Order: sequence, then structure tokens, then C-alpha cells
Amino acid sequence: EVQLVESGGRLVQPGGSLRLSCAASGFTFRNFAMSWVRQAPGKGLEWVSAISATTGTTYYADSVKGRFTISRDNSEGMLFLHLNSLTAEDTAIYYCAKGVRSSLAAAGPHDYWGQGALVTVSS
Amino acid sequence: DIQLTQSPSFLSASVGDRVTITCRASQGISSYLAWYHQNPGKAPNLLIYAASTLQSGVPSRFSGSGSGTEFTLTISSLQPEDLGTYYCQQLNSYPYTFGQGTKLEIK
Repeated sequence: EVQLVESGGRLVQPGGSLRLSCAASGFTFRNFAMSWVRQAPGKGLEWVSAISATTGTTYYADSVKGRFTISRDNSEGMLFLHLNSLTAEDTAIYYCAKGVRSSLAAAGPHDYWGQGALVTVSS
Repeated sequence: DIQLTQSPSFLSASVGDRVTITCRASQGISSYLAWYHQNPGKAPNLLIYAASTLQSGVPSRFSGSGSGTEFTLTISSLQPEDLGTYYCQQLNSYPYTFGQGTKLEIK
């Protein structure tokens, strides 16, 4: 059974930093591109970032480019999102999501999602 | 960036009704479109990909069609568990943008 379990969400002050983690199991993690998608309270879904399976290619939404960094550890089956220079607009549930292929060029839809990690940015 | 506009934003329908949601892209995206359903407080669930391919395990009352800039999601006979919010997502180019969502209420 595919499982994605996010952790690391918490209350952080504006300007602060945070690292989110996603533990993957039930599939061969190193074979699939992975993404982060977020959802602000009461709002819709916003794609945040994606990373290829093995080449390290990454993409970011303009709203987080230069502040967030996606990474992965294929030996441990872990996906990470480093969040820096946080503002209130970054308050959201952050979902880890699995792609259906290895390459970002054709990563396809997100067929499995975690339960989400809540990040709250407030003083 | 490619913008996706869903219509309607809100929909109220009865059990057994046929329901259609439209997603329009700001530029052509071939068939690189997916549909998701999200129950309140839960993670999204993939329904349709490649505009018209049903994800494994999804009931056959769901179907998708379209290509280029206009797409539709149809529920042939609405069931109580279909309430929630539906999102389209373009997978043609990064950033992989979502539509604003269509909230479906059961009358």
C-alpha cells in the first residue's frame, strides 16, 4: 500500500524557516517524480514544487521561487521542502504528492497524496 | 503561466442528477489535464488523467472529455459521497496550475 506521511508543520514567525519531510513507503520511491502542493485555509490547491526521480531537476511556483527548496533522499525514501523567508501568505496545509513517472518532463498527475502538514506563519 | 478557469464555482444537485463541470485553459494544453475530488478535511483524490482516462478504482459514473482549451468532467448519476470540491489541473507545462475549484453540494 502506498503511503506518504508528512511531518514538520508548526507555527513559525514571519521571516522564519522550516523543513517539511515526507516519508514514502509501499512503492519504489527512486522511480517517481514527487511534488509539493499547498492549500491555504478555505482556499484552493496551489502547486508549489516538483523534483525528478534521479536527475535532481526541480521546478518551483513563482510565489516560492528563491525561498523554498525541494530535495529528496532516495536511499531513505524521503522528500523534503525547505521553506525560508516565510510570510503569512505561506500559511497552508502542505501536501506531498507522488507523480506517475520518473521524469519531470512527463511527470503526469499526482496519483497518491499524503494527509498534509499544517504550516502557520504568525507572530 | 497557464490559467485554468472552472465553471461553475458552486453547484447544487440532487442524487441521481447528471452533473457537468467545465475547465477552460488560457492556452492549448492538448490532453494534459487531470481532475481531482477533495472531501472536506481530506487530501485530494485523482479521478481522471489525460483528459479522459479513468484512474484505477474510480467509479465509472465519472468521465472526462475535451482537448486543447476546453474540458469537461461529468458525473452521470450523482451519489451522496460525491459532495466536495472538484479541481482540474494542467500538466502541459510548469507550473502545474490548478483551477479555482467547483464546490458541489447535494440537495
